[in-house]
Amino acid sequence: DADVTQTPRNRITKTGKRIMLECSQTKGHDRMYWYRQDPGLGLRLIYYSFDVKDINKGEISDGYSVSRQAQAKFSLSLESAIPNQTALYFCATSELLAGGSGNTGELFFGEGSRLTVL
Amino acid sequence: SQQGEEDPQALSIQEGENATMNCSYKTSINNLQWYRQNSGRGLVHLILIRSNEREKHSGRLRVTLDTSKKSSSLLITASRAADTASYFCATDAYSGAGSYQLTFGKGTKLSVIP
Repeated sequence: DADVTQTPRNRITKTGKRIMLECSQTKGHDRMYWYRQDPGLGLRLIYYSFDVKDINKGEISDGYSVSRQAQAKFSLSLESAIPNQTALYFCATSELLAGGSGNTGELFFGEGSRLTVL
Repeated sequence: SQQGEEDPQALSIQEGENATMNCSYKTSINNLQWYRQNSGRGLVHLILIRSNEREKHSGRLRVTLDTSKKSSSLLITASRAADTASYFCATDAYSGAGSYQLTFGKGTKLSVIP
């Protein structure tokens, strides 16, 4: 089984619908992230969580919300989907590197959730 | 905003040749990481270099970091067709309010022709 599992892998929905993307991990990491990838734009951070009680906005959080239900689970919601939220979404986990505050370690990515909003 | 920017955007080489990709960034960093992505798949971590390191090797990969120039390079030696993928640099930097974030560049698309 994959260390970081995303569901669904593909989803087509209509404008105005509520969508939830789910992520679960078996790495035992405290830190979890949601990124969005658009062609030619690389990955942009939506939200991140350093533990169950810690949720932080990333670069592009508008139109999104998250829930950290447990150490292993981090879900991303689009309350009212719009076409420009069509993208490939990635969940990732990491540890904090030893030897320095805020030193982000290697990210482990899921296989992605491809969302199309019509 | 994008912290790291890769150069070139696309690179096409023959199998057996070396491939060099560059990454420039804007602010002080804790570390810089390189990732690989096969088309439509999740990213896979290749190598991490801390701000106090200048060079790191892993198999056919060599990464350099020049903090004075705010730049890094990834060298893949003796490339293979299986190296065809997109390569991203990511910088771990302070983002305000006591928080650090890993920010990705737009990537270099490498094509290795058999």
